[in-house]
Amino acid sequence: DQQVKQNSPSLSVQEGRISILNCDYTNSMFDYFLWYKKYPAEGPTFLISISSIKDKNEDGRFTVFLNKSAKHLSLHIVPSQPGDSAVYFCAATHFNDMRFGAGTRLTVKP
Amino acid sequence: DAMVIQNPRYQVTQFGKPVTLSCSQTLNHNVMYWYQQKSSQAPKLLFHYYDKDFNNEADTPDNFQSRRPNTSFCFLDIRSPGLGDAAMYLCATSSNQGATNEKLFFGSGTQLSVL
Repeated sequence: DQQVKQNSPSLSVQEGRISILNCDYTNSMFDYFLWYKKYPAEGPTFLISISSIKDKNEDGRFTVFLNKSAKHLSLHIVPSQPGDSAVYFCAATHFNDMRFGAGTRLTVKP
Repeated sequence: DAMVIQNPRYQVTQFGKPVTLSCSQTLNHNVMYWYQQKSSQAPKLLFHYYDKDFNNEADTPDNFQSRRPNTSFCFLDIRSPGLGDAAMYLCATSSNQGATNEKLFFGSGTQLSVL
C-alpha cells in the first residue's frame, strides 16, 4: 500500500519563479516528514524536514508546509534555480519506519 | 568525508544466480537500511538493522537476505534473482537514538540487472 503519494511525476518551472511540490500521506502515525533531493547517478540527499507539531519550516529558499488535517505537505522553492533540477522525494516516518513517495522530477528552465 | 559507499555501482547477474550487494559506512551510524527502487516508483524498504537487531518488512520476499557482520558493513543477498528483481538497491544509514526525527544518509545505489 502506498502510504506516501506524490501525484505529480514531473514539474517544469522557469528560473526565478516558485516551484511547488506536493505530497499526501495516509498514515496518521507519521510524525516527521522529510524531503530528499536526488541527482542522476547519486543517492538521495536530505533537503529539509518538518515535525508534525509544526506547520512550517524554512531554510533559505526552501520552505516546507504541513497540513495535518489534510495529511498534506508541500515544498516551496523560491526562487527556483537551474541547479534545483532533480527528483524530489517526499518521506514520512515514525521511529525507524520511513516511507517514500515515488518522486517528482523538477526541471527549472533558464 | 564520512559517507555511505555501495559497491558495485552496476551489477549484472543471471537469472537464478545468487548475487551479493555491499554497503559500507564511515558515519558510525547504528541503523542501516536496504531499499529497493524500481523505475519511477517509490523506494521500498526491504529491511533494516538496528545495531545487530534485524527487522524484516512483512512483504519482503524470502529470496532477499541480509547480513551485518559489524557496524560498518551490511550486505544484501539475493539467493535466486528473478527478472522482477532488477532494480536500484539503495543502502542508507541513520544515527537513530530512539528519536523519530532522524534523517537517512544514502549511498549512490547499485543498479542490478538480471539477464
